[in-house]
Amino acid sequence: DVKVTQSSRYLVKRTGEKVFLECVQDMDHENMFWYRQDPGLGLRLIYFSYDVKMKEKGDIPEGYSVSREKKERFSLILESASTNQTSMYLCASSLPAAYGSNQPQHFGDGTRLSIL
Amino acid sequence: SQQGEEDPQALSIQEGENATMNCSYKTSINNLQWYRQNSGRGLVHLILIRSNEREKHSGRLRVTLDTSKKSSSLLITASRAADTASYFCATLGHGSGNTGKLIFGQGTTLQVKP
Repeated sequence: DVKVTQSSRYLVKRTGEKVFLECVQDMDHENMFWYRQDPGLGLRLIYFSYDVKMKEKGDIPEGYSVSREKKERFSLILESASTNQTSMYLCASSLPAAYGSNQPQHFGDGTRLSIL
Repeated sequence: SQQGEEDPQALSIQEGENATMNCSYKTSINNLQWYRQNSGRGLVHLILIRSNEREKHSGRLRVTLDTSKKSSSLLITASRAADTASYFCATLGHGSGNTGKLIFGQGTTLQVKP
């Protein structure tokens, strides 16, 4: 089974801190994704990556950056954390559509981040 | 932007009853997927239906797709307390290329009472 591991289940940080959220997958997937999930807003895509060192903005990239130096690892960075970034963050991975367009995404268990 | 919209937002039923959730979307799609999320956990893929399919089954799950109405439904038969979770539809649009970028709805929260 695919395993997507997020480094922390719960994280508390202070306003202005630089925050790193790490995600590792063990299935050699090309695609990796970062979402945030908020009540009433569903899942919103922050950034995704379809290859090492490649990244594309999602729907809400402001205040975030990402890093993909190795295929298995995709990091989300909050450059200067703010209280409105308190949320549940979910990482996912998938094979690319080149393997057939019907590739599901596999999710980690999420990181619940609180910015005080 | 959120393309999929689930209906109802919340559903409460007794164990053994069937649960039906609906999803509407706005643009043409390559496929539509349903995911489940248990409280405090990540999403788990349940079933995928291609745009040229009308119905698909997997165990107690039945998914239908009506591309003319841009809608899908997920039916869970003979529900169990363990089915209590949030359910999300997600669409892969035409032109998503190799990115596999999905657009998720806001979800239906299902409670199955024992």
